[in-house]
Amino acid sequence: AQSVTQLDSQVPVFEEAPVELRCNYSSSVSVYLFWYVQYPNQGLQLLLKYLSGSTLVESINGFEAEFNKSQTSFHLRKPSVHISDTAEYFCAVISGGSEKLVFGKGTKLTVNP
Amino acid sequence: GAGVSQSPSNKVTEKGKDVELRCDPISGHTALYWYRQRLGQGLEFLIYFQGNSAPDKSGLPSDRFSAERTGESVSTLTIQRTQQEDSAVYLCASSPGTGPETQYFGPGTRLLVL
Repeated sequence: AQSVTQLDSQVPVFEEAPVELRCNYSSSVSVYLFWYVQYPNQGLQLLLKYLSGSTLVESINGFEAEFNKSQTSFHLRKPSVHISDTAEYFCAVISGGSEKLVFGKGTKLTVNP
Repeated sequence: GAGVSQSPSNKVTEKGKDVELRCDPISGHTALYWYRQRLGQGLEFLIYFQGNSAPDKSGLPSDRFSAERTGESVSTLTIQRTQQEDSAVYLCASSPGTGPETQYFGPGTRLLVL
């Protein structure tokens, strides 16, 4: 069965520093990859996704993630974070013809001034 | 409506009571999902409805959990004889149809079983 690992449960960084949130998944058969974000007191919303094509995908607020099939990874990066990026980030995978999202446990990103 | 809505937003109940949670998906979305998020855990898949097909119930943790959906509209998740370990945030999501599409999540129902 598919599983998703987010090794870092909490990541504190200073404003304008770069950040990488790690995500690894267990099965590479026909995967579709997603990052969802949950801002404080808000619902879960899609940040970016990889379905096919270019392995590097970007969001409108400066985040990017790269699908790496050989390393079964989909790490999320941002070169310079803002205080408003403080949120919990969830990596999720759909694989093998399933319709179900399998989520990681989430990474809480805290951006400090 | 503009997004997925869920009710109630919060529910406190006593152990052993039944609870019913409601989800209104985005109009026109044929796929509807229920997930559970327990404290410190990721989201766990519970059940998936797609149009008139038989639902995928493979994520339901026990026979105390059941869900229904009328056509392509409202869904209700029922938990019978609630236990303390059922305390969690229950999230509903909908998507336009089949395939690896973006799922749009509701705000969730926070359930506390005393």
